[in-house]
Amino acid sequence: NAGVMQNPRHLVRRRGQEARLRCSPVKGHSHVYWYRQLPEEGLKFMVYLQKENIIDESGMPKERFSAEFPKEGPSILRIQQVVRGDSAAYFCASSPRYQTRVSGNTIYFGEGSWLTVV
Amino acid sequence: GESVGLHLPTLSVQEGDNSIINCAYSNSASDYFIWYKQESGKGPQFIIDIRSNMDKRQGQRVTVLLNKTVKHLSLQIAATQPGDSAVYFCAENNSEGAGNQFYFGTGTSLTVIP
Repeated sequence: NAGVMQNPRHLVRRRGQEARLRCSPVKGHSHVYWYRQLPEEGLKFMVYLQKENIIDESGMPKERFSAEFPKEGPSILRIQQVVRGDSAAYFCASSPRYQTRVSGNTIYFGEGSWLTVV
Repeated sequence: GESVGLHLPTLSVQEGDNSIINCAYSNSASDYFIWYKQESGKGPQFIIDIRSNMDKRQGQRVTVLLNKTVKHLSLQIAATQPGDSAVYFCAENNSEGAGNQFYFGTGTSLTVIP
């Protein structure tokens, strides 16, 4: 998976707690994407970030969810006041540059963080 | 919204046979497509990609075919092996879209029978 590192791999939270998921992109990649996957379903786009900027958060719930990709350090997906419906696998992906019509650009995924809300 | 779907949710093939996994998309502006393989408990793994200026691309044991007329994508796996058992997703991207996100279908679960 081209070096995208996610942690924790597994996280258990009680309803109402906060979950923080971290993603370190491939070295040299400045673009990060977060996807959510429910059991037996495909990957749903959540948010696309560059360093210090949120480019597209159209797939992210308006409440309780936030994401950041600071100048230094990993990207963080934060879920406040978790509910059972937040239980899912959260995947991070990275790419080196913006997708263009000419170049195309593959995104590489990490191994995911499995969140279980009890 | 998402515009990618798969024709078959499950596929079983005999070891050594060829596998064909299909994918339909509805956004005619999509110009870049990727096939991913996802094994249980793991992240999606890149298999092969194709841009809209091509209709066929070959890799090692895999071939992707793109038919823009009917907005259809297929992944062909030659001489399928037990290690090919996984869920396969196609993903599309529109480089002229507002964002750079890829949209994924539900996936096809491939089971290889030894």
